[in-house]
Amino acid sequence: NAGVTQTPKFQVLKTGQSMTLQCAQDMNHEYMSWYRQDPGMGLRLIHYSVGAGITDQGEVPNGYNVSRSTTEDFPLRLLSAAPSQTSVYFCASSYVQQETQYFGPGTRLLVL
Amino acid sequence: DQQVKQNSPSLSVQEGRISILNCDYTNSMFDYFLWYKKYPAEGPTFLISISSIKDKNEDGRFTVFLNKSAKHLSLHIVPSQPGDSAVYFCATLPTSGTYKYIFGTGTRLKVLA
Repeated sequence: NAGVTQTPKFQVLKTGQSMTLQCAQDMNHEYMSWYRQDPGMGLRLIHYSVGAGITDQGEVPNGYNVSRSTTEDFPLRLLSAAPSQTSVYFCASSYVQQETQYFGPGTRLLVL
Repeated sequence: DQQVKQNSPSLSVQEGRISILNCDYTNSMFDYFLWYKKYPAEGPTFLISISSIKDKNEDGRFTVFLNKSAKHLSLHIVPSQPGDSAVYFCATLPTSGTYKYIFGTGTRLKVLA
């Protein structure tokens, strides 16, 4: 099993550009989520999904879109990047609620 | 307002001694708590968890204590090893039926050889 994979590892964007951060898992997990990690802020939940076709907002959803068309994939879309979205983004998955979350290695995003 | 607080950004401990990492929370409805460890340039990895029906859970060198009346949990690492040097996050899942984990800001542990 590859576990949770994220691409790209690192990305530089200009303000106003759009991009999609990819996340995939091969563990047949129903639950998937996206977090951002900023200095002094810990991990903050952006969006999450409890299964294919079902998504919901987390603590900091503004400026981000998600969709879940398959169990395996949970992409995060930045519609118009802003410098405030400079961060490290982590995707995570688990079988069910209260099960251990498995995290991907992260995507480091720099918005100029 | 931070619902889960780790008030010590960093902690240094001598190898072989005990490391104690603390976490406070604000809402008595929080009923499941976890600790994650994170090395640089990697994603967090699960360490240990505790349900609110317990006050202690052990896994090898790691023990988590939960004091519900004080809304406080702590992670004890005994004995501490240099490989334990990492950032430790506490997290909670507020109520059953949701998936909105809340993480603390993290404590950077450095174990000195």
